[in-house]
Amino acid sequence: KQEVTQIPAALSVPEGENLVLNCSFTDSAIYNLQWFRQDPGKGLTSLLLIQSSQREQTSGRLNASLDKSSGRSTLYIAASQPGDSATYLCAVTGYGNKLVFGAGTILRVKS
Amino acid sequence: EAQVTQNPRYLITVTGKKLTVTCSQNMNHEYMSWYRQDPGLGLRQIYYSMNVEVTDKGDVPEGYKVSRKEKRNFPLILESPSPNQTSLYFCASSPGRVSETQYFGPGTRLLVL
Repeated sequence: KQEVTQIPAALSVPEGENLVLNCSFTDSAIYNLQWFRQDPGKGLTSLLLIQSSQREQTSGRLNASLDKSSGRSTLYIAASQPGDSATYLCAVTGYGNKLVFGAGTILRVKS
Repeated sequence: EAQVTQNPRYLITVTGKKLTVTCSQNMNHEYMSWYRQDPGLGLRQIYYSMNVEVTDKGDVPEGYKVSRKEKRNFPLILESPSPNQTSLYFCASSPGRVSETQYFGPGTRLLVL
């Protein structure tokens, strides 16, 4: 059964710092991996989607990498801003069309 | 505006009283799904639907029912709610297979007394 783990569970950084969020999964047989952002009281917003054949995806200050063989992904946020404060979730799509989420990393960027 | 809507957003009910949470998307998406989010457990998939009249169980389907009679709607039905179904529920959709970007609704917070 697929299990997704995110480390750290919470992170607090000063504004302007570059940071890395980690995601690991136990079964490498995946279609893709997605990173989401969740703001308090809101739904999830997709940030980046990496297909299993890809190594990384970039959007603005965000860069996500995928190492399927080792079951790891990282989300790199450059020059963090207070508006980046949110919970970040990673999720993998396995065979059977099921999406499995990690528990998330709560990020706080202090001004 | 392209969106996934859920109703109600907040609901307090009592054990055993049947309820339905509606989900609708205006993007002509084929794939729709329901998740519940609980502290420390993350989001877990309840049911999903690949298209009209095609539904399948996710990881935690017990106590829930779904139907997909129209492409845009995917209601979640709790026939006899229990306190352990108190949770935050999300509906999501994507254009085709789940391997494409998922669009989430705003969530429904349910309290079962």
